[in-house]
Amino acid sequence: DQQVKQNSPSLSVQEGRISILNCDYTNSMFDYFLWYKKYPAEGPTFLISISSIKDKNEDGRFTVFLNKSAKHLSLHIVPSQPGDSAVYFCAASGSNFNKFYFGSGTKLNVKP
Amino acid sequence: EAGVAQSPRYKIIEKRQSVAFWCNPISGHATLYWYQQILGQGPKLLIQFQNNGVVDDSQLPKDRFSAERLKGVDSTLKIQPAKLEDSAVYLCASSLGTGGDTEAFFGQGTRLTVV
Repeated sequence: DQQVKQNSPSLSVQEGRISILNCDYTNSMFDYFLWYKKYPAEGPTFLISISSIKDKNEDGRFTVFLNKSAKHLSLHIVPSQPGDSAVYFCAASGSNFNKFYFGSGTKLNVKP
Repeated sequence: EAGVAQSPRYKIIEKRQSVAFWCNPISGHATLYWYQQILGQGPKLLIQFQNNGVVDDSQLPKDRFSAERLKGVDSTLKIQPAKLEDSAVYLCASSLGTGGDTEAFFGQGTRLTVV
């Protein structure tokens, strides 16, 4: 039972443009969401998070949007850079949970 | 601040052999996780420790996998005997708390190939 879904396995974007990565979840009890970035042969690294009391969180070029009614969140990268090319994982957790649930990842390729 | 340390980085074994992975979490992190990541999938939680107690091992194949966290710090994950489908990256992570509003920090992982 996959409670966090990333339906796009891959995304290709031109350098300087916006990258939008999407994530859907099914459990309305989730109240904390995270994005991780993973380069080949490395572990995932934390990128940005958002609590359910917010609908937007911004950190430099990275912004996460949360739509609780749609159970959907997205990660925007503006402007995209070739160094952003990696696999991005969405994860969810919450005060009623003691673990993180991960999506299957989206491989982003930013073309120079 | 030192990150999560894992060893070995790579391991190739034959099926039915045994293997062990080691993890040293970030100092002061009470929670330690072992995840299995099969190619093309997201990390799947195998076992979670809070200090040296098991919080969740519902997805750990207990007939062949075992894990321990001695003294609430380092942890080892063992597979005996290994099967071909155990080929994956095994990720160790640690966090200050347990879910909620805290993030987990991952090690580089151990890539296991069972032949």
